[in-house]
Amino acid sequence: DAGITQSPRHKVTETGTPVTLRCHQTENHRYMYWYRQDPGHGLRLIHYSYGVKDTDKGEVSDGYSVSRSKTEDFLLTLESATSSQTSVYFCAISDRQSGYNEQFFGPGTRLTVL
Amino acid sequence: QKEVEQDPGPLSVPEGAIVSLNCTYSNSAFQYFMWYRQYSRKGPELLMYTYSSGNKEDGRFTAQVDKSSKYISLFIRDSQPSDSATYLCAMSGTGFQKLVFGTGTRLLVSP
Repeated sequence: DAGITQSPRHKVTETGTPVTLRCHQTENHRYMYWYRQDPGHGLRLIHYSYGVKDTDKGEVSDGYSVSRSKTEDFLLTLESATSSQTSVYFCAISDRQSGYNEQFFGPGTRLTVL
Repeated sequence: QKEVEQDPGPLSVPEGAIVSLNCTYSNSAFQYFMWYRQYSRKGPELLMYTYSSGNKEDGRFTAQVDKSSKYISLFIRDSQPSDSATYLCAMSGTGFQKLVFGTGTRLLVSP
Protein backbone atom coordinates (compact mmCIF):
# COMPACT_ATOMS: atom_id res chain seq x y z
CA ASP A 1 0.00 0.00 0.00
CA ALA A 2 2.93 2.22 -0.86
CA GLY A 3 2.30 5.81 0.16
CA ILE A 4 -1.48 5.54 0.40
CA THR A 5 -3.46 5.68 3.61
CA GLN A 6 -7.19 5.56 4.16
CA SER A 7 -9.13 6.70 7.19
CA PRO A 8 -11.03 5.46 8.98
CA ARG A 9 -10.23 1.80 8.35
CA HIS A 10 -13.51 0.65 9.82
CA LYS A 11 -16.74 2.50 10.39
CA VAL A 12 -20.24 1.57 11.50
CA THR A 13 -22.91 4.19 11.00
CA GLU A 14 -26.66 4.50 10.83
CA THR A 15 -28.89 5.06 7.83
CA GLY A 16 -29.32 8.72 7.00
CA THR A 17 -26.09 9.98 8.56
CA PRO A 18 -23.38 11.68 6.51
CA VAL A 19 -20.05 9.86 6.21
CA THR A 20 -16.71 11.08 4.87
CA LEU A 21 -13.85 8.79 3.96
CA ARG A 22 -10.37 10.15 3.43
CA CYS A 23 -7.59 9.02 1.12
CA HIS A 24 -4.13 10.46 1.59
CA GLN A 25 -1.13 9.86 -0.69
CA THR A 26 2.52 10.78 -0.40
CA GLU A 27 3.45 9.83 -3.99
CA ASN A 28 2.41 13.12 -5.63
CA HIS A 29 0.40 11.16 -8.21
CA ARG A 30 -1.99 13.17 -10.34
CA TYR A 31 -4.86 10.71 -10.56
CA MET A 32 -6.89 9.42 -7.63
CA TYR A 33 -9.86 7.05 -7.60
CA TRP A 34 -12.52 5.76 -5.28
CA TYR A 35 -13.84 2.21 -5.77
CA ARG A 36 -16.23 0.04 -3.90
CA GLN A 37 -15.82 -3.73 -3.76
CA ASP A 38 -18.78 -6.04 -3.28
CA PRO A 39 -19.15 -9.81 -3.69
CA GLY A 40 -20.17 -10.71 -7.22
CA HIS A 41 -19.43 -7.21 -8.53
CA GLY A 42 -15.71 -6.82 -8.08
CA LEU A 43 -14.24 -3.33 -8.04
CA ARG A 44 -16.51 -0.60 -9.32
CA LEU A 45 -15.42 2.97 -9.89
CA ILE A 46 -17.35 5.59 -7.93
CA HIS A 47 -15.51 8.84 -8.77
CA TYR A 48 -12.07 9.81 -9.87
CA SER A 49 -9.90 12.92 -9.95
CA TYR A 50 -7.41 14.01 -12.58
CA GLY A 51 -6.09 17.00 -10.64
CA VAL A 52 -6.83 19.41 -7.82
CA LYS A 53 -10.49 20.41 -8.03
CA ASP A 54 -10.92 18.23 -11.16
CA THR A 55 -13.21 15.27 -10.62
CA ASP A 56 -15.56 13.11 -12.66
CA LYS A 57 -18.13 10.39 -12.12
CA GLY A 58 -17.57 6.68 -12.39
CA GLU A 59 -20.11 3.93 -13.00
CA VAL A 60 -21.71 3.93 -9.52
CA SER A 61 -21.62 7.60 -8.47
CA ASP A 62 -25.23 8.04 -7.28
CA GLY A 63 -25.32 8.93 -3.59
CA TYR A 64 -21.63 9.87 -3.46
CA SER A 65 -19.71 13.11 -3.83
CA VAL A 66 -15.98 13.81 -3.81
CA SER A 67 -13.62 16.68 -3.28
CA ARG A 68 -9.95 17.23 -3.90
CA SER A 69 -8.53 20.50 -2.60
CA LYS A 70 -4.93 19.29 -2.39
CA THR A 71 -2.91 16.87 -4.52
CA GLU A 72 -2.48 14.48 -1.61
CA ASP A 73 -6.07 14.25 -0.35
CA PHE A 74 -9.20 12.85 -1.97
CA LEU A 75 -12.40 12.76 0.09
CA LEU A 76 -15.44 10.60 -0.54
CA THR A 77 -18.71 11.71 1.06
CA LEU A 78 -21.91 9.79 1.48
CA GLU A 79 -24.39 12.59 2.03
CA SER A 80 -27.03 10.34 3.60
CA ALA A 81 -25.81 6.80 4.05
CA THR A 82 -28.03 3.87 3.04
CA SER A 83 -27.68 0.16 3.75
CA SER A 84 -26.85 -0.44 0.06
CA GLN A 85 -23.66 1.56 0.63
CA THR A 86 -22.34 -1.05 3.05
CA SER A 87 -19.16 -2.09 1.30
CA VAL A 88 -15.39 -2.03 1.30
CA TYR A 89 -14.07 1.21 -0.19
CA PHE A 90 -10.67 1.42 -1.84
CA CYS A 91 -8.73 4.45 -2.90
CA ALA A 92 -6.23 4.14 -5.76
CA ILE A 93 -3.67 6.42 -7.37
CA SER A 94 -1.89 6.51 -10.72
CA ASP A 95 0.43 8.79 -12.62
CA ARG A 96 0.51 7.45 -16.17
CA GLN A 97 4.30 7.76 -16.30
CA SER A 98 4.42 4.13 -17.36
CA GLY A 99 2.18 5.00 -20.31
CA TYR A 100 -0.78 3.04 -19.07
CA ASN A 101 -3.18 3.32 -16.19
CA GLU A 102 -1.23 1.37 -13.57
CA GLN A 103 -3.11 1.91 -10.34
CA PHE A 104 -1.90 1.44 -6.77
CA PHE A 105 -4.42 0.73 -4.07
CA GLY A 106 -4.80 1.73 -0.46
CA PRO A 107 -5.65 -0.70 2.37
CA GLY A 108 -9.41 -0.08 2.21
CA THR A 109 -12.17 1.16 4.52
CA ARG A 110 -14.81 -1.27 5.67
CA LEU A 111 -18.11 0.62 6.02
CA THR A 112 -21.24 -0.82 7.57
CA VAL A 113 -24.51 1.13 7.37
CA LEU A 114 -27.14 -0.17 9.80
CA GLN B 1 -23.25 -9.22 -20.14
CA LYS B 2 -20.26 -7.89 -18.25
CA GLU B 3 -17.35 -6.43 -20.18
CA VAL B 4 -14.94 -8.70 -18.30
CA GLU B 5 -15.84 -12.18 -17.09
CA GLN B 6 -13.89 -14.10 -14.49
CA ASP B 7 -14.75 -17.34 -12.72
CA PRO B 8 -15.06 -16.59 -8.99
CA GLY B 9 -13.79 -20.00 -7.87
CA PRO B 10 -12.63 -21.00 -5.37
CA LEU B 11 -9.89 -22.87 -7.16
CA SER B 12 -8.23 -25.36 -4.81
CA VAL B 13 -4.87 -26.90 -5.70
CA PRO B 14 -2.09 -28.73 -3.83
CA GLU B 15 1.24 -27.05 -3.24
CA GLY B 16 3.52 -27.32 -6.26
CA ALA B 17 0.71 -27.43 -8.82
CA ILE B 18 0.56 -25.25 -11.92
CA VAL B 19 -2.34 -22.83 -11.66
CA SER B 20 -4.18 -21.29 -14.58
CA LEU B 21 -6.38 -18.24 -13.97
CA ASN B 22 -8.39 -16.76 -16.82
CA CYS B 23 -10.53 -13.84 -17.94
CA THR B 24 -12.56 -13.24 -21.06
CA TYR B 25 -13.59 -9.83 -22.33
CA SER B 26 -15.84 -8.35 -24.97
CA ASN B 27 -14.31 -4.94 -25.73
CA SER B 28 -11.87 -5.24 -28.63
CA ALA B 29 -10.45 -1.79 -27.77
CA PHE B 30 -8.68 -3.15 -24.68
CA GLN B 31 -4.92 -3.00 -25.12
CA TYR B 32 -3.50 -3.09 -21.59
CA PHE B 33 -4.03 -6.13 -19.42
CA MET B 34 -3.17 -6.39 -15.76
CA TRP B 35 -3.32 -8.93 -12.97
CA TYR B 36 -3.77 -7.88 -9.37
CA ARG B 37 -3.41 -10.07 -6.30
CA GLN B 38 -5.53 -9.35 -3.25
CA TYR B 39 -4.97 -10.99 0.10
CA SER B 40 -7.87 -11.18 2.52
CA ARG B 41 -8.75 -7.80 4.00
CA LYS B 42 -6.02 -6.03 2.01
CA GLY B 43 -5.96 -3.77 -1.02
CA PRO B 44 -5.19 -5.19 -4.48
CA GLU B 45 -1.52 -5.13 -5.50
CA LEU B 46 -0.34 -5.10 -9.10
CA LEU B 47 1.25 -8.39 -10.04
CA MET B 48 1.84 -8.17 -13.78
CA TYR B 49 0.82 -6.25 -16.84
CA THR B 50 1.04 -6.86 -20.56
CA TYR B 51 0.43 -4.69 -23.58
CA SER B 52 -1.46 -6.09 -26.56
CA SER B 53 -0.90 -9.76 -27.33
CA GLY B 54 1.82 -12.14 -26.23
CA ASN B 55 3.41 -13.53 -23.12
CA LYS B 56 5.26 -11.98 -20.22
CA GLU B 57 7.14 -13.91 -17.57
CA ASP B 58 8.19 -12.82 -14.09
CA GLY B 59 9.58 -15.53 -11.86
CA ARG B 60 6.89 -18.15 -11.27
CA PHE B 61 4.25 -16.02 -12.97
CA THR B 62 3.42 -15.88 -16.69
CA ALA B 63 0.78 -13.60 -18.18
CA GLN B 64 -0.63 -14.47 -21.57
CA VAL B 65 -2.92 -12.45 -23.84
CA ASP B 66 -4.80 -13.80 -26.85
CA LYS B 67 -6.57 -10.83 -28.40
CA SER B 68 -8.05 -12.86 -31.23
CA SER B 69 -9.98 -14.91 -28.66
CA LYS B 70 -10.38 -12.01 -26.19
CA TYR B 71 -8.89 -14.23 -23.52
CA ILE B 72 -6.16 -13.60 -20.98
CA SER B 73 -4.46 -15.99 -18.58
CA LEU B 74 -2.17 -15.93 -15.58
CA PHE B 75 -0.11 -19.05 -14.91
CA ILE B 76 1.52 -19.72 -11.59
CA ARG B 77 4.20 -22.42 -11.52
CA ASP B 78 5.18 -24.31 -8.38
CA SER B 79 2.31 -22.76 -6.46
CA GLN B 80 2.85 -22.03 -2.77
CA PRO B 81 0.41 -21.63 0.14
CA SER B 82 1.45 -17.95 0.17
CA ASP B 83 -0.13 -17.65 -3.30
CA SER B 84 -3.54 -18.19 -1.71
CA ALA B 85 -5.39 -14.97 -2.52
CA THR B 86 -7.96 -13.52 -4.88
CA TYR B 87 -6.64 -12.70 -8.35
CA LEU B 88 -8.26 -9.87 -10.27
CA CYS B 89 -7.78 -9.19 -13.95
CA ALA B 90 -8.06 -5.61 -15.17
CA MET B 91 -7.87 -4.04 -18.58
CA SER B 92 -8.10 -0.74 -20.41
CA GLY B 93 -7.79 0.82 -23.82
CA THR B 94 -5.04 3.14 -25.05
CA GLY B 95 -4.60 6.65 -23.76
CA PHE B 96 -5.98 7.40 -20.35
CA GLN B 97 -8.74 4.89 -19.99
CA LYS B 98 -10.47 3.69 -16.86
CA LEU B 99 -9.62 0.20 -15.72
CA VAL B 100 -12.31 -2.44 -16.01
CA PHE B 101 -11.94 -5.19 -13.44
CA GLY B 102 -13.03 -8.79 -13.36
CA THR B 103 -14.78 -9.96 -10.21
CA GLY B 104 -11.75 -11.99 -9.11
CA THR B 105 -10.90 -15.68 -8.71
CA ARG B 106 -10.19 -16.98 -5.24
CA LEU B 107 -7.20 -19.36 -5.19
CA LEU B 108 -6.46 -21.76 -2.33
CA VAL B 109 -3.12 -23.59 -2.29
CA SER B 110 -2.98 -26.32 0.31
CA PRO B 111 0.33 -27.55 1.84
